[in-house]
Amino acid sequence: AQSVTQPDIHITVSEGASLELRCNYSYGATPYLFWYVQSPGQGLQLLLKYFSGDTLVQGIKGFEAEFKRSQSSFNLRKPSVHWSDAAEYFCAVGKSNSGNTPLVFGKGTRLSVIA
Amino acid sequence: NAGVTQTPKFQVLKTGQSMTLQCAQDMNHEYMSWYRQDPGMGLRLIHYSVGAGITDQGEVPNGYNVSRSTTEDFPLRLLSAAPSQTSVYFCASRRTLAHEQYFGPGTRLTVT
Repeated sequence: AQSVTQPDIHITVSEGASLELRCNYSYGATPYLFWYVQSPGQGLQLLLKYFSGDTLVQGIKGFEAEFKRSQSSFNLRKPSVHWSDAAEYFCAVGKSNSGNTPLVFGKGTRLSVIA
Repeated sequence: NAGVTQTPKFQVLKTGQSMTLQCAQDMNHEYMSWYRQDPGMGLRLIHYSVGAGITDQGEVPNGYNVSRSTTEDFPLRLLSAAPSQTSVYFCASRRTLAHEQYFGPGTRLTVT
């Protein structure tokens, strides 16, 4: 079965600093990969997704992520963090060769932004 | 489109009570799922469905039942509520495997 690891439970960055959130997955074939964001008390919103093609994908709110097959990683980046980016971020993986398998989510990384 | 809707938003139950969390989507999505979210645990899959009449268990199915009689609706039933079921519950849907998953706003359930 596929699995997702987000090694960082909590990250604090200064406003304006760059950000990288790590995501590692376990899956034998090319996966479908997603990053979601959850603001306090809210549901989950899709930031970006990777299915195939260009390994650098652009998302909403200035986020991007890079799929690295050799490292089984799909790290999320943003060059300059805004205070409104404070939220919880979830990486998710889906199987590309199975029609019946739901997404598996990591445990999340909580991002705090300080002035 | 309303997207994925969930009712109620908040619910307090006593131990042993039963209830149904409602979930509906108006996007004609085949795939629907129920997750629970607990601090430090991320989202854990309870049950999912790949179409009307087809359901399967996820990671944490005990104490919950589901059915899928229509494409639009996917209710989650708590048979006999326990304090361990205190959580935030999210319903989600997607068109196919190669599409994004849309989430409802969640139901915050407290069992006393």
